[in-house]
This record gives sequence, C-alpha cells and structure tokens, in this order.
Amino acid sequence: KQEVTQIPAALSVPEGENLVLNCSFTDSAIYNLQWFRQDPGKGLTSLLLIQSSQREQTSGRLNASLDKSSGRSTLYIAASQPGDSATYLCAVRKTSGSRLTFGEGTQLTVNP
Amino acid sequence: KAGVTQTPRYLIKTRGQQVTLSCSPISGHRSVSWYQQTPGQGLQFLFEYFSETQRNKGNFPGRFSGRQFSNSRSEMNVSTLELGDSALYLCASSLWASEVGEQFFGPGTRLTVL
Repeated sequence: KQEVTQIPAALSVPEGENLVLNCSFTDSAIYNLQWFRQDPGKGLTSLLLIQSSQREQTSGRLNASLDKSSGRSTLYIAASQPGDSATYLCAVRKTSGSRLTFGEGTQLTVNP
Repeated sequence: KAGVTQTPRYLIKTRGQQVTLSCSPISGHRSVSWYQQTPGQGLQFLFEYFSETQRNKGNFPGRFSGRQFSNSRSEMNVSTLELGDSALYLCASSLWASEVGEQFFGPGTRLTVL
C-alpha cells in the first residue's frame, strides 16, 4: 500500500527566504506526482505535475524535483512571500487512473 | 474557463439523515473523483467516475455512493449520516481517466453532522 510522508509538518520562515519542502513515498512505481496548495477552509490548487519520466518541473518561483528510485520529491520555493503561507500537499498517482494518495501536508507560514 | 464547482458549499445535517453533494467538472473534463478531508485522516479517496461508470473506489462503507451523468456532472450521496462523516468533501476533475490526468479541485462542500 502506497504511503506518502511530508516533512516537516510545519515550517515558519521570514520573508525572502528560499525553502524546501519534502515528500517521500514508499512505492516507487508511480505514474506521476502532483504538488498542491491549500488555503484554510478552501479547495486544492494544483501547483506542479511531474510525470514519472521527468526529473523536475518549474513554474515561476516554484521548482519541483522527482527522484523515483529513492521515493522522494522536493518542492523548492524561491524568495518566499507572505502570500505563500498555506498548506502544501504532495500526492502520487500509481497508475494512469485518477486516484491520488496524499501526504499529510506541510503548513508553511512566511512572516513579513 | 470556469473551474470545478461544488454545491452546496456548506451543509449542516443531523445523525441518521442523508445528504447529496453535487460537482460540476471543468468543461470538457470527463473524469470526476471525490475525496474526503478530515483533520485526523487527511485526504482520502472516495471514488472516481469516467463516462458515467465508476472506475475506482476507496475504502469507505456502502453508505457512500455516487453517480455521474451524461454531461459529466457528478453527485455523491451519504446515507444514515454519522458524526464522523463531518468533513470537507472535495471533488476533482481531469480531462481523461486514462492519460496524464492533472487533477483540478473544486472549493469543497463543508459537511457538519450534529
């Protein structure tokens, strides 16, 4: 059974800092991995999708990497801003169907 | 392009009642998945529909059911509500069920069972 773990559970940083969020998964036979952002009481916003054949994806200040063999992904946020404060979730898809297995998330606070 | 919409946004029910939640996917998307989010269990997969057929089902009791219509809109039903069913129910849509499948989520329906 696939298990997804995110470390740390919570992170507080000053504005402007570069930071890394970690995601690990137990079964390396994944189809793709998706990073989401969730604001309190809201739905999920898709940030980046990495296919199993890819090593990384970039969007603006965000960069996500994938190392399937070690069962790890990282989300790098450059020059963090208070508006980045949210919970960040990673999710893996084992097959080409739509079922995602989520981690518990990292709650990020960026202090002005 | 409009995103995924869910109705109602908030719902309060009492134990034993039943509830129906609705999800309209992004135009052109044919796959709809449902997830339950609670503080204790996190996000858990309920089921997935594609072209009016249930393609995949999570580990939830039979009280949780769903369906998809020909226009890809989906409904989820929970019968005989229990206190533990209080949660944020999220719907996600993707273009296909068998391909790349980046999933886009709606704002959720917050269900409170008293």
